[in-house]
Amino acid sequence: GENVEQHPSTLSVQEGDSAVIKCTYSDSASNYFPWYKQELGKRPQLIIDIRSNVGEKKDQRIAVTLNKTAKHFSLHITETQPEDSAVYFCAASGNTDKLIFGTGTRLQVFP
Amino acid sequence: IAGITQAPTSQILAAGRRMTLRCTQDMRHNAMYWYRQDLGLGLRLIHYSNTAGTTGKGEVPDGYSVSRANTDDFPLTLASAVPSQTSVYFCASRQRSTGEQFFGPGTRLTVL
Repeated sequence: GENVEQHPSTLSVQEGDSAVIKCTYSDSASNYFPWYKQELGKRPQLIIDIRSNVGEKKDQRIAVTLNKTAKHFSLHITETQPEDSAVYFCAASGNTDKLIFGTGTRLQVFP
Repeated sequence: IAGITQAPTSQILAAGRRMTLRCTQDMRHNAMYWYRQDLGLGLRLIHYSNTAGTTGKGEVPDGYSVSRANTDDFPLTLASAVPSQTSVYFCASRQRSTGEQFFGPGTRLTVL
């Protein structure tokens, strides 16, 4: 079955710097790759997603890149702000539509 | 109801007791899911349902059962709770057109 690995587990950056979180997946049939943000004590919420027919997608300060050949995808946050502090999860799914999540990255943005 | 709700918000349960976690959505999504979230392990799929009347096993189904009698409700039952089932449980439903999963607020369960 699908396996998703996520790195790093924790990431600390200065406000205004960029943050990058990387994920790899094992199932070459996977075609949908969402990223969720979870603030402390809250539910996960989708922030951006990408499908396998696209190499990059951007939404204001966040972007996701996908390398199908290498089976990895990354989340990029530019000009980080304290409110970006949260746990971020990557996930992958294929024809079964079941999401397999990575183990999460705790991002801390220091003012 | 707006979106997806779960009940109870939290529960402390004695080992061996039976417990049902409730999940209801009003978005008419066909697919629904139950996850458990444990520190360092992310979100792991327990059971899922692609449509009313059908269910399937996820990554960690042992000790749990689900039913899907209608589109809106997807309860998760622990027949005989054990301490290793202490976790935060999230229910989710999927919007077919976009693939996005919407999560409920979660239930924090402690089994003593």
